[in-house]
Amino acid sequence: DVKVTQSSRYLVKRTGEKVFLECVQDMDHENMFWYRQDPGLGLRLIYFSYDVKMKEKGDIPEGYSVSREKKERFSLILESASTNQTSMYLCASSGGTGANVLTFGAGSRLTVL
Amino acid sequence: GQNIDQPTEMTATEGAIVQINCTYQTSGFNGLFWYQQHAGEAPTFLSYNVLDGLEEKGRFSSFLSRSKGYSYLLLKELQMKDSASYLCAVRYSGGSYIPTFGRGTSLIVHP
Repeated sequence: DVKVTQSSRYLVKRTGEKVFLECVQDMDHENMFWYRQDPGLGLRLIYFSYDVKMKEKGDIPEGYSVSREKKERFSLILESASTNQTSMYLCASSGGTGANVLTFGAGSRLTVL
Repeated sequence: GQNIDQPTEMTATEGAIVQINCTYQTSGFNGLFWYQQHAGEAPTFLSYNVLDGLEEKGRFSSFLSRSKGYSYLLLKELQMKDSASYLCAVRYSGGSYIPTFGRGTSLIVHP
C-alpha cells in the first residue's frame, strides 16, 4: 500500500535545465515536505507546506521552488539545475494529531551533468 | 542550529545487542524520533519519545533523558536485515515544529 509516491526514481539532467520532481500522497495529510539527502550531511529540509497554495522555506531553499496546487500533490522545481544539486530528494508528508510522524516516499535520485 | 549528534558508523555481530546514541540541544525540545533507512529506500518510522524513559517495541527500544539531551536506540538479537542507517530527529517548539535530522548512524551487522 504505497502512500507517498515520487514520480521518478532516477533522473539525469544537464546543467541549466528546468527539473520538476513530483510527489503525491494518498493519506489526506495537510503537511508535505521536500528534503535532500547527501552522504555525511544527512537530511536537510528544502521547503515545506502546511496547506494548499502555502509554502515555507526550509534550511536550504536557494535554487529551488515549490508548488502545491492540490492537497495531495507537492512539486519541487529546479529552475536551472546545477551540478551541486546532484542528490537524493525525499518527499514526506505528515498529518493528524500527536507525533506527526513523517511518511517518506522512496526518493528521486537526480544527477546533473 | 540544534546540533544533533550521533556516531557515523557502528558495527556489531548477528545476535548481539547494539546501542546507538543521539545527543541534542535541550532548549525548546518537543519530541525525538528514530527512523530506519535501508540503502536505496525511504526512511521508515521506528519510535517517538517525548517523555523521559524507555519505550519498547519488540526487539527495538528507545530511551530519552530530556534533562541530559540524550537518547539511545537499543537493538536486541541483531539480525542481518538490521544493517541500515538509523536517523535521530528532534522536534523543537517555536518556529515550525518540524523535526531536524542528525546525520545518521550506519549500522553494519556481521554474521
